[in-house]
Parts: sequence; structure tokens; C-alpha cells
Amino acid sequence: EIVLTQFPGTLSLPPGERVTLSCRASQIANSIFLNWYQHKPGQAPRLLVYGASSRATGIPDRFSGSGSGTDFTLTISRLEPEDFAVYYCQHHSGSTYTFGQGTKLEIK
Amino acid sequence: QVQVVESGGGVVQPGGSLRLSCAASGFTISTYGMHWLRQAPGKGLEWVAHVRYDGSEKWYADSVKGRFIISRDNLKNKLDLQVNSLRPEDTAVYYCAKDFHGYGAFDPWGQGTVVTVSS
Repeated sequence: EIVLTQFPGTLSLPPGERVTLSCRASQIANSIFLNWYQHKPGQAPRLLVYGASSRATGIPDRFSGSGSGTDFTLTISRLEPEDFAVYYCQHHSGSTYTFGQGTKLEIK
Repeated sequence: QVQVVESGGGVVQPGGSLRLSCAASGFTISTYGMHWLRQAPGKGLEWVAHVRYDGSEKWYADSVKGRFIISRDNLKNKLDLQVNSLRPEDTAVYYCAKDFHGYGAFDPWGQGTVVTVSS
């Protein structure tokens, strides 16, 4: 089973900044099955990026995903107030689905 | 509008059971795999179970295998999760999600239903 490690655990940044979140897999991961989500308290998690680099429907173009092999990133080009949330990477392999532990993005 | 809505959560004693339900609207579940996921208090997201579009294949996380049963009723356009032999560590918000076919992703998710296991 692939283990996903996200870093940093917490980031404090002001609106307007550019941020890159990282997700490292314990072994080579098929990028087709590497996905990113945004989760705010009390809300349903939202799919942001699928297949490592494709934006889901309705996701602003300030969000972008990249990576391959064991290293993947989610970049937000310019933070908006509504972007402060927890972000998770997720991978599917065989009959299992795994999540990273999440990166919490806080307003500074 | 494609959406899923969970129900059936509650407070139950250790060893007890509950049946969670997920009602889908805006799409026909008969052509999609469906999932249950959860988030324990203060923890991250965890995948729990998956059922193939026709119900012919079911997968479970090791943490719930043998205790939880996922099922679907394509005629009623709904998904269920029978949760048995509940433990305090099963306390969580339980989410239903549609399979984002071809990518092993989940979209959309519901708002969740809360299960609390406590004596």
C-alpha cells in the first residue's frame, strides 16, 4: 500500500501569496490516480485536481497540480480568503484508496 | 444538480449497529461506483468502502473489514452502509461520494452524517 506524506503540516500565509503544497508517495504512484481535495470545517470535501494535473469542473485556474513518480504538488498562484482550508492528496491503487494526512492552510 | 445526501447517523453504544443511507439526485447511481469515507474527530480523511456500479464487487478498508457492509439499491438510487460491532474509534463523520470514474477520485461528496460510539 502506498503511503502519502504531505508537507508542511501547517502553513500560515497572507492572502495574495503563492503557495505550493507537497505530497510524497512511499513508492512510485500512477499519476492518473493522484488527486487533490479541499476541505473546510462543516462542509463536504471538494475535488480540486484529478489525474495529478487536471482541474475539476468549476475550480478556479489559480489552482494547479503537477508531479509524477513519488513527488506531487498543488500550487495556488494567488491566495484568496476562501482558499484557507485543509488540503489532502489521495491515491488509488488496486482495491484501496489512501489519503495524505493533510496540510492546513491558515490566514496570517 | 448532482448531489448526495447522507442520513442515519446517531449515538450508539460500543458493539452496537447502525444503518447509514445515502440518497443520490441529479444522476443515476446505476452507472457509477459509489463510496463511503469518514473523518474521525481531529483526524484526516479515510476511505471506508466501495461498491461497483452493479454491486458485483465490494472493497473495504482493513479497519472495517468484516464489520461494515456496503450495499446499493439502483432502483431507489441509494447507497447504504451497515455498520456493526461498532468501536469508539469508529466515531466519525461518514461521507458518501460518487466515484469519479477512471481516476479513482471522489466527486461529489455529501455533507456527512455523524456517528458517535460511546457508552
